[in-house]
Amino acid sequence: EVQLVESGGGLVQPGRSLKLSCAASGFTFSNYYMAWVRQAPTKGLEWVASITNSGGSTYYRDSVKGRFTISRDNAKSTLYLQMDSLRSEDTATYYCTRRGYSAPFDYWGQGVMVTVSS
Amino acid sequence: EIVLTQSPTTMAASPGEKVTITCRASSSVSYMHWFQQKSGTSPKPWIYDTSKLASGVPDRFSGSGSGTSYSLTISSMEAEDAATYYCLQRSSYPRTFGGGTKLELK
Repeated sequence: EVQLVESGGGLVQPGRSLKLSCAASGFTFSNYYMAWVRQAPTKGLEWVASITNSGGSTYYRDSVKGRFTISRDNAKSTLYLQMDSLRSEDTATYYCTRRGYSAPFDYWGQGVMVTVSS
Repeated sequence: EIVLTQSPTTMAASPGEKVTITCRASSSVSYMHWFQQKSGTSPKPWIYDTSKLASGVPDRFSGSGSGTSYSLTISSMEAEDAATYYCLQRSSYPRTFGGGTKLELK
């Protein structure tokens, strides 16, 4: 059974950093592209970043470029999102998701809440 | 950036009623994908590559469209279909979602 379990969320002050992790199991992690998608309270879904299966290429939305870093450790089957210089508008539930071979974002984690507030 | 505009934003349908949700793209995309999300839960893949149903999705759902105009249709509304539906394009970066359509049971 495919499982994606996020961790590392919490309350953080503006300008500070936070690192999210997503532990994957039930599939060969190194074969799949992965991504982070977020959802601000009562708002819609917003793609944040993607990474290729090898980690050799990464992609970001403009609003997080230069502040967030997506990475992966295939040996540990874990996806990461390093978030620096956090802003109030980064407050959201962050989902780890897998890009399937056919369907995009075919599995999702349960989400982890990040609150940026003083 | 390709902007996806969904309509309607909210709607209510009676059991047995036909429902259509549309998603319009600001530029042509190759395929459209749809997700269902119920309150307090993670999104679920629902329709991919415009018209293919994800695993477990009832066949009263269908998807169609091309270019800049796509739609998700429910042939006969059931109570369990009440949810928010989002379209997604992955033809180009940044990946973008529509704003969502909240479907309620009347």
